[in-house]
Formats: sequence, C-alpha cells, structure tokens
Amino acid sequence: AQSVAQPEDQVNVAEGNPLTVKCTYSVSGNPYLFWYVQYPNRGLQFLLKYITGDNLVKGSYGFEAEFNKSQTSFHLKKPSALVSDSALYFCAVRDLTSGNTPLVFGKGTRLSVIA
Amino acid sequence: EAGVTQFPSHSVIEKGQTVTLRCDPISGHDNLYWYRRVMGKEIKFLLHFVKESKQDESGMPNNRFLAERTGGTYSTLKVQPAELEDSGVYFCASSNEWRTGELFFGEGSRLTVL
Repeated sequence: AQSVAQPEDQVNVAEGNPLTVKCTYSVSGNPYLFWYVQYPNRGLQFLLKYITGDNLVKGSYGFEAEFNKSQTSFHLKKPSALVSDSALYFCAVRDLTSGNTPLVFGKGTRLSVIA
Repeated sequence: EAGVTQFPSHSVIEKGQTVTLRCDPISGHDNLYWYRRVMGKEIKFLLHFVKESKQDESGMPNNRFLAERTGGTYSTLKVQPAELEDSGVYFCASSNEWRTGELFFGEGSRLTVL
C-alpha cells in the first residue's frame, strides 16, 4: 500500500530565509508525487509534480521540490520565504505501476513565515 | 474557466439527520473524486467517478454514505444518518486524466455533526 509521511505538523521560518517542508513516501512501484497548498478558507491548489526525469522539479510561486529515490523523499523548498507563503502544505503520492490507485495525501504541514 | 464548485460551504446538522453535499467539476473533466479531511488528519480518499461510473469506492467508510454522479456531470454525496465522526471537510476534485493529470480541488464543504 502507498503512504505519505509529513513528519512536521508545523514549520516556522523567518521571512527571507530558506524554507523546507519534509515529505517521505512509500510505494511498491514507481511514485508519482505532488505538492499542494491550502490557503485559509480555500481549496487545495496544485504547486508541482514529479513523474519522471530531472529530480529537481520547479513549481508555482518559486517553490521547488527534490525527488530522492534512495531516501524516498520529496521535500518542498523555497530559497527565500515570504509572509504570503504561510499556509497548509500537503504532499501526495500515487503508485503509477499499481493500476488505478487513488492519490494518497499526508496529514499536512502548517508553514508560518514570520516577518 | 470556472473551477470546481462545492455546495454548501458549511453545514451544521444534528446526529441522525441527513445531509447532501454537491460538487460541480470543471467542465469536460471525466474524473471526479471525493476526499475527506478530519481535523488535523490526512486527506482521505473516498471515491472516484469516471463519468457516471464508480471507478473506485474503496474509501467509502460505510453504507451511510451514498455518492452519485447523474449523467456524468455534477456529483452528490449523501450522508444518512449522520454520526458525530462524520464531521470534517469534504473535498471534491476533478481531473481530465486520472493517471498523471493533477487534481483540481473545490473549496470544500465543512460538515459539523452535533
């Protein structure tokens, strides 16, 4: 069975500093990985995805994520955090080689960027 | 282009009552998904429609939950009778391709069962 772990419930970072939101996954086949963001009172918005190819994926709002197969990780990063990045971030995975399996989400990490 | 819309945005009902949530996907998206998030927990998959057919309903918690997608357009999720543990935010999402297409989410319907 596929699963996602987001080990941190909350991440605090000062504005202008780099940020990292951690995600590790478990699948039996090849992973298809996503990051989504949820701003207050809004739905989830797609940030970026990894299917294959370059391990560093660039997405919306200056975010990027690095796929690391040996560590089964897909951490979300941004070089310089903005206060407006404060939101709830969800990592998700689908096992591409297990037929029609649903996208499985982690429990989310709340990012607070402090001015 | 209109996004995924959900109604109602918030519903407060008493235990034993019935609630029906509605989702209108993005036009042309054959794939429609229902997910639920209980406070502080992960977003859990409920079911997946391809057009009007249920492709995967493995995440439906029990037979108090009934999902339909008439004519392959909008979908409804009915909870009858509602229990306290059904409280949470119900998200609907749609996509044009189930395998690699990203999901587009609605803003969610918050259900509170008292």
